[in-house]
Amino acid sequence: KAGVTQTPRYLIKTRGQQVTLSCSPISGHRSVSWYQQTPGQGLQFLFEYFSETQRNKGNFPGRFSGRQFSNSRSEMNVSTLELGDSALYLCASSLAPGQGNTEAFFGQGTRLTVV
Amino acid sequence: AQSVTQLGSHVSVSEGALVLLRCNYSSSVPPYLFWYVQYPNQGLQLLLKYTTGATLVKGINGFEAEFKKSETSFHLTKPSAHMSDAAEYFCAVSSLSGNTPLVFGKGTRLSVIA
Repeated sequence: KAGVTQTPRYLIKTRGQQVTLSCSPISGHRSVSWYQQTPGQGLQFLFEYFSETQRNKGNFPGRFSGRQFSNSRSEMNVSTLELGDSALYLCASSLAPGQGNTEAFFGQGTRLTVV
Repeated sequence: AQSVTQLGSHVSVSEGALVLLRCNYSSSVPPYLFWYVQYPNQGLQLLLKYTTGATLVKGINGFEAEFKKSETSFHLTKPSAHMSDAAEYFCAVSSLSGNTPLVFGKGTRLSVIA
């Protein structure tokens, strides 16, 4: 079956712009989580969605937002981009939340560069 | 709150040598534990996981890890390193309820020298 698909793979934006990243989970998976990966901070949790509702949110400013659609696809948006937002953004899908032993499957990520 | 500490941001081994990547966790209750691998410009791939039962867990590519509750550790090992094992490895912890997100360690970059 198809894996987690993230688009685009690479993105270059200018400071102050906004950006939208997309994630299509594995078919049948209803939970989508987003992580930011940087060399200095490692993998940091952004948010988690299930059934179009945000279940958990990490410690990021309000410029970072997300949503989930009825087909479980998810988007995240970053407004007023800053240089420090340059990172690899990873999306992970799993069957459902509330199951701590459920494996999370990761996409290949979107590499965002802010100049 | 749960946390994960990976000792050593970079480990270098010779091809054929033992691989040992260390992971210690902090959790008020026994958690679920995971090891993920990340190759350059790729996402994370699950190597193995501990949920319940046998404390020695075998994963893909010849890796295994042992859950030691008394030491709050979940170290990853492989008897003989291969060049293709060069990658970044992440230890992660999840709560039993699954109501909190995966918490990752900072990662350990493994280099394999020919």
